[in-house]
Formats: sequence, structure tokens, C-alpha cells
Amino acid sequence: AQSVTQPDIHITVSEGASLELRCNYSYGATPYLFWYVQSPGQGLQLLLKYFSGDTLVQGIKGFEAEFKRSQSSFNLRKPSVHWSDAAEYFCAVGANAGGTSYGKLTFGQGTILTVHP
Amino acid sequence: NAGVMQNPRHLVRRRGQEARLRCSPMKGHSHVYWYRQLPEEGLKFMVYLQKENIIDESGMPKERFSAEFPKEGPSILRIQQVVRGDSAAYFCASSGGAQRETQYFGPGTRLLVL
Repeated sequence: AQSVTQPDIHITVSEGASLELRCNYSYGATPYLFWYVQSPGQGLQLLLKYFSGDTLVQGIKGFEAEFKRSQSSFNLRKPSVHWSDAAEYFCAVGANAGGTSYGKLTFGQGTILTVHP
Repeated sequence: NAGVMQNPRHLVRRRGQEARLRCSPMKGHSHVYWYRQLPEEGLKFMVYLQKENIIDESGMPKERFSAEFPKEGPSILRIQQVVRGDSAAYFCASSGGAQRETQYFGPGTRLLVL
């Protein structure tokens, strides 16, 4: 069964500082990987995704993530955080087409990001 | 192109009543997914539907919960005889087209059971 672990429940950074949010996954084959962001009381917005190819993927709002198969990781990074980035971030894994759990996303517990001025 | 729409955004029910949550997928999407987010928890998959078919309901509670996605109209998640433990945010996502694996989420329905 697929699973996702986000080791950091809460991270605090200063505005302008760099950011890395960790995500580790468990899946038997090459996974589809996603990062979503959720502001309080809102739905989830897709930041970026990895299906195949280049292991460094670029997303919206200046975010990027790197897929490392050897470490089963898909960490999210941003070089300079803005106050508006404060939100909760979710990493998710999906099965590829034909997999037994195709269609279903498995989410991590989320990481709450606080940004200090 | 409108995104995924859910209504109502907030729903208050008393124990024992029924809750009906609606989801209209993005235009051109024929795959719908429902997830539940309990307080202090991440999102948990409930059910995956295509038009008139339930593809995967492995995350649905065995009793009181049902889902449908008719040929015409929105997808409905129905909770009968609600209990306080059903209080949660329910999110719908849709996918379709060339990138069926990418799910786009609606704003959610916050259900409060009194």
C-alpha cells in the first residue's frame, strides 16, 4: 500500500529565508507525486507534480521539488519565502495508470508553515 | 473555465439527519473523487467515481455513506443519520482529459453535526 510521511508538522521561517519541506513516500513502482497548498478554510491548490522525466520540477509561486528515487523523497523548496506563503502544505502520492489503486491520492499529514516578518 | 464547484460550503445538521454534499467537476472532467479531512488530520480518500460508475470505494465507511455521479448533474455524497464524528471538511476533486492523474480540488464543504 502506498503511504506518505511528512516529518515536520510545523515549520517557522523568516520572510526572505529559504524553505525546504520534507516528504517521503512508499510505493512499489514509480509514483506520481504532488504538492498541494491549503490556506485556512480553503480548498487545495496544486503547486507542482512529478510523473516522469526531469527529477527537478518547477511549480507555481516560485516553488520547486526534487524527486529522489534512492531516498524515496520529494522535498519541496523555495529560495525566498514570502509572507503570503504561510499555509499548510500537503504532499501526495498517486498510483500510475493500471496500478491497483489508480485514481486514489494518498496524502501526508501536512506541514503548517508560519512566516515571520 | 470554472474550477471544481462544491455546495453548500457550510452545512449544519443535527444528529440523525441526512447530509447531501454536491460536487460539479471542472468542465471536461469525467472523474470525481471525494476526500474527508478530519480536524488535525490530513485528507483521506473516500471514493472515486466516473459517470454512472463507482470505480473505487475502498475508503468509504461501510454504513450510512453513499456516493453517486449520475449521467447528468453533479456528484452527490450522501451521509445518512449523521453523527458528531462525521463533522469534517469534505473535498471533491476532479480529473480528466490527457492528464487524468492530476486532480483539481474544490473549496470543500464544512459539515458540522450538532
